[in-house]
Amino acid sequence: DSGVTQTPKHLITATGQRVTLRCSPRSGDLSVYWYQQSLDQGLQFLIQYYNGEERAKGNILERFSAQQFPDLHSELNLSSLELGDSALYFCASTRSGNSYEQYFGPGTRLTVT
Amino acid sequence: QKEVEQDPGPLSVPEGAIVSLNCTYSNSAFQYFMWYRQYSRKGPELLMYTYSSGNKEDGRFTAQVDKSSKYISLFIRDSQPSDSATYLCAMSGGPQGGSEKLVFGKGMKLTVNP
Repeated sequence: DSGVTQTPKHLITATGQRVTLRCSPRSGDLSVYWYQQSLDQGLQFLIQYYNGEERAKGNILERFSAQQFPDLHSELNLSSLELGDSALYFCASTRSGNSYEQYFGPGTRLTVT
Repeated sequence: QKEVEQDPGPLSVPEGAIVSLNCTYSNSAFQYFMWYRQYSRKGPELLMYTYSSGNKEDGRFTAQVDKSSKYISLFIRDSQPSDSATYLCAMSGGPQGGSEKLVFGKGMKLTVNP
């Protein structure tokens, strides 16, 4: 158990809908990273927050947004969902902003029908 | 050309074999090199990380980085059925390299047969 929690574990929704994925980092970790993992693309970095502020952006679509709250938990919002958004979504955390020692949560499996 | 290339396999070996997993990369700014293990339906788990070139050993696992060739390897000695998982390499420039985001290989699926 990495200490990173993610809810929900599974999510099934329809195209055009909006969902929110939640992540709680390990105790004491200030940085949260979001990733999307699909069979064809592998693990893709979406966005990083550090102590409430956006720190780095990857291949995140405009339909997706994230934030990190004062208690350091983070939410990833996915809107106008398409079939191609079906994937595993992981968050990871680190103590500082050092990306090389990331601890991953168990993931949220999103299925868009 | 992708920044990080990793043969997706799959790779199947008998128990006790030495396993060699490799990645190549194109971005010379990468300074940190990681190996993650991912069991089915689980999140990736950090196995080892190496800074710059050289070797690092941890039990049955050895990570090697050759920056001149832009090539990294993970060796698993005396492989066990419990090592059956997908292994992902990942790289980062770190703060000095100008980018802290991790770039992952696609992952190699390994099966160790008893």
